[in-house]
Amino acid sequence: VQLQESGPGLVIPSQTLSLTCTVSGGSITSGIYYWSWIRQLPGKGLEWIGYIYYSGSANYHPSLKSRVFISVDTSKNQFSLKLTSVTAADTAVYYCARLFRDYGDSGLDHWGQGTPVTVSS
Amino acid sequence: DIQMTQSPSSLSASIGDTVTITCRASQGFTNSLAWYQQKPGKAPKLLVYAASRLESGVPSRFSGSESGTHYTLTISSLQPEDFATYYCQQYFSLPLTFGGGTKVEIK
Repeated sequence: VQLQESGPGLVIPSQTLSLTCTVSGGSITSGIYYWSWIRQLPGKGLEWIGYIYYSGSANYHPSLKSRVFISVDTSKNQFSLKLTSVTAADTAVYYCARLFRDYGDSGLDHWGQGTPVTVSS
Repeated sequence: DIQMTQSPSSLSASIGDTVTITCRASQGFTNSLAWYQQKPGKAPKLLVYAASRLESGVPSRFSGSESGTHYTLTISSLQPEDFATYYCQQYFSLPLTFGGGTKVEIK
């Protein structure tokens, strides 16, 4: 399984950040997987943004919930992230990743390479 | 949110050393913890899940353990390719949260 992020590397403040993750080598409709977005602020640790199940059911980090929307397109084997009203604090490397959940076990077992996004005018 | 406090934030070690990294959870849970390795400019890589289960393909010198709210990643006989930053992550409850990271450097 491979994941690949795509989208603009530069976003204007107050605009919407939009990224897509294309999944290859496996189906996004496999039952034990949740399709996730994680970001890494410059020189900092990892922050989970949210994830979506192939059915369309999504969960988001409470601190971002008012600005985040994750969607899935099973026909294209893709899922997408939209983050509205961005500021410089949203500048980060954005990763898409596959989270497995299987009888209580879990982990982010496949990741995209990450895409840097800068918020600047 | 469950806060994961990871220590140390960095350490220096030599090839062949045994290294121990610890994560402490702000709330109690059992087993629901993963460890990742990240090298500069690369995505994190899953090493351990369920506190002690090794991901397929990960060398056996990596091991994880649990004691109450304390979780430990041990690297036995450190190899050159092990110099990286390591993160813990809990999946007991949402939001998923990560520790602050431990950078393992060459002494």
